[in-house]
Amino acid sequence: RKEVEQDPGPFNVPEGATVAFNCTYSNSASQSFFWYRQDCRKEPKLLMSVYSSGNEDGRFTAQLNRASQYISLLIRDSKLSDSATYLCVMDTGRRALTFGSGTRLQVQP
Amino acid sequence: EAGVAQSPRYKIIEKRQSVAFWCNPISGHATLYWYQQILGQGPKLLIQFQNNGVVDDSQLPKDRFSAERLKGVDSTLKIQPAKLEDSAVYLCASSPLKRTGGSYEQYFGPGTRLTVT
Repeated sequence: RKEVEQDPGPFNVPEGATVAFNCTYSNSASQSFFWYRQDCRKEPKLLMSVYSSGNEDGRFTAQLNRASQYISLLIRDSKLSDSATYLCVMDTGRRALTFGSGTRLQVQP
Repeated sequence: EAGVAQSPRYKIIEKRQSVAFWCNPISGHATLYWYQQILGQGPKLLIQFQNNGVVDDSQLPKDRFSAERLKGVDSTLKIQPAKLEDSAVYLCASSPLKRTGGSYEQYFGPGTRLTVT
């Protein structure tokens, strides 16, 4: 079983739509969680950290459910520029990251 | 502030040949990572350095891969001999020792795209 599992997609949504991605993890010792964004043929970049209390950054909301071992990312009012692969990422405390395979989002005009 | 630099950006070699990649992290970042990203997958950690010491190399295929960070700054990753399954993007990342906003953000370089034929 993979440590981090994501639906690969693609999620094809129209501009302005709300879209949500989920991710499950198997290592209960995981301490920190993140969403990274990766554009085609580019390097990953940190989108946001994920906290148990939930956190919001503009149109993006991230949630962590430790009991069920899943993480979610909600994107409201999707823009064409949101088209990318979204990587679910965890840190088990060694400061090295474990990445999911990513969920591809395509926002269409 | 300059980002993480990597070279070369692209490399094509034949199987059984050798190849080396270079990484220069962000100035002052003590921790350096090498990841392998195969097409359609997320990055996988190969090795983690803190200054010039190895913190984690448990996923490095040591029969063919080696890495060093001799002076605690630049790092090189070598593959000898290469196999077809080594075709991937090799990403270098660095992070500071101190947390920023509650996390140790990793900054990635543009990667080296390796094709083994």
